[in-house]
Amino acid sequence: DAGVIQSPRHEVTEMGQEVTLRCKPISGHNSLFWYRQTMMRGLELLIYFNNNVPIDDSGMPEDRFSAKMPNASFSTLKIQPSEPRDSAVYFCASSLLDSGEQFFGPGTRLTVL
Amino acid sequence: SQQGEEDPQALSIQEGENATMNCSYKTSINNLQWYRQNSGRGLVHLILIRSNEREKHSGRLRVTLDTSKKSSSLLITASRAADTASYFCATQNSGGSNYKLTFGKGTLLTVNP
Repeated sequence: DAGVIQSPRHEVTEMGQEVTLRCKPISGHNSLFWYRQTMMRGLELLIYFNNNVPIDDSGMPEDRFSAKMPNASFSTLKIQPSEPRDSAVYFCASSLLDSGEQFFGPGTRLTVL
Repeated sequence: SQQGEEDPQALSIQEGENATMNCSYKTSINNLQWYRQNSGRGLVHLILIRSNEREKHSGRLRVTLDTSKKSSSLLITASRAADTASYFCATQNSGGSNYKLTFGKGTLLTVNP
């Protein structure tokens, strides 16, 4: 298995632009998580999907952030409009069960100028 | 809010020595997990210990859990330069939000050759 796949690996954009991050979870996993990692706040859970349905989006910082999971093999995290404080590494993770080991993708390093 | 708090924040040792990292948490848990993150990479799951377990081994890793003290330790024996990474503990609570992994800020381990 290729593991969790994320794209792009790096994204540099200007303030106000729309940013879309993509994730392909491990085949057969029914739980998908989006995290954000910064030096100041560490790793934060943004949103959790189970069987493609958003279960917990309480970690989504603002209405500028949205996430979708149209099918079991694809999810997007969109920021519109982006701001410099959104600069961080965004990770997608998937798991077979809703509790237990999570498998992380390589992350997308986002820089908003 | 941070559930797990690792100690120390940074640790530097010589190859061949043992490394011990500690984690404290605040609420009742279902399980506690340890992850490793190499610089610029995603997190890799190392070991999971359930609340009814006290000790677990995996290769050169030994994890202990003391639920009365709400603490865990990760011991890496006979360390290697390749063990250089950040190590995070993460807790999953019992109850309704058992999917949520709450991470600490991590311990940066440097193993000098």
